[in-house]
Amino acid sequence: GAGVSQSPSNKVTEKGKDVELRCDPISGHTALYWYRQSLGQGLEFLIYFQGNSAPDKSGLPSDRFSAERTGGSVSTLTIQRTQQEDSAVYLCASSSTGSGNTIYFGEGSWLTVV
Amino acid sequence: AQSVAQPEDQVNVAEGNPLTVKCTYSVSGNPYLFWYVQYPNRGLQFLLKYITGDNLVKGSYGFEAEFNKSQTSFHLKKPSALVSDSALYFCAVRDGSNYQLIWGAGTKLIIKP
Repeated sequence: GAGVSQSPSNKVTEKGKDVELRCDPISGHTALYWYRQSLGQGLEFLIYFQGNSAPDKSGLPSDRFSAERTGGSVSTLTIQRTQQEDSAVYLCASSSTGSGNTIYFGEGSWLTVV
Repeated sequence: AQSVAQPEDQVNVAEGNPLTVKCTYSVSGNPYLFWYVQYPNRGLQFLLKYITGDNLVKGSYGFEAEFNKSQTSFHLKKPSALVSDSALYFCAVRDGSNYQLIWGAGTKLIIKP
């Protein structure tokens, strides 16, 4: 697609439920990032995928968080047993390979846990 | 260790005046530097980047940034601010050996009419 696409754009869920957030990167981009941003705050790195390499999961805050990337394209971030502190916007970004390459962000998935 | 500092949480500028949003960095290798803007309830939008070459980089919406190696800075500038420039601005750095972008905490820019 023309840009990074994320769905849902907004999600309200009850505490304890599982949620899945989807990211469709720019076509041809091999690198994919997930970040979390609390309201008006900075970016918290969650996970990084690069091609067929093992992902860098070092930013996942707990074992309730997991992510996968199927076929080197679409990625899903799953949060199990959601807690109120999980409320945030989850941003996905993608880029082509290369340190100088720009990463492009989606509009984010706004998660509210009630 | 790599790091990025945006020393100002908020910058207030009158419309029509020049603006500067500061960024300093620390990396072990050659830096790749980026600026992004985030409007309310939106994702981050790329503004400009420095990879190599001319120290003055021009980007979207009339913004520019100057790479200063001796001061390890990459300040964002615009000659004449618009109210519509009001947003959250993020500086980020990566060195050539690392895929990770290190992000600053962000600076809220408020342009007053």
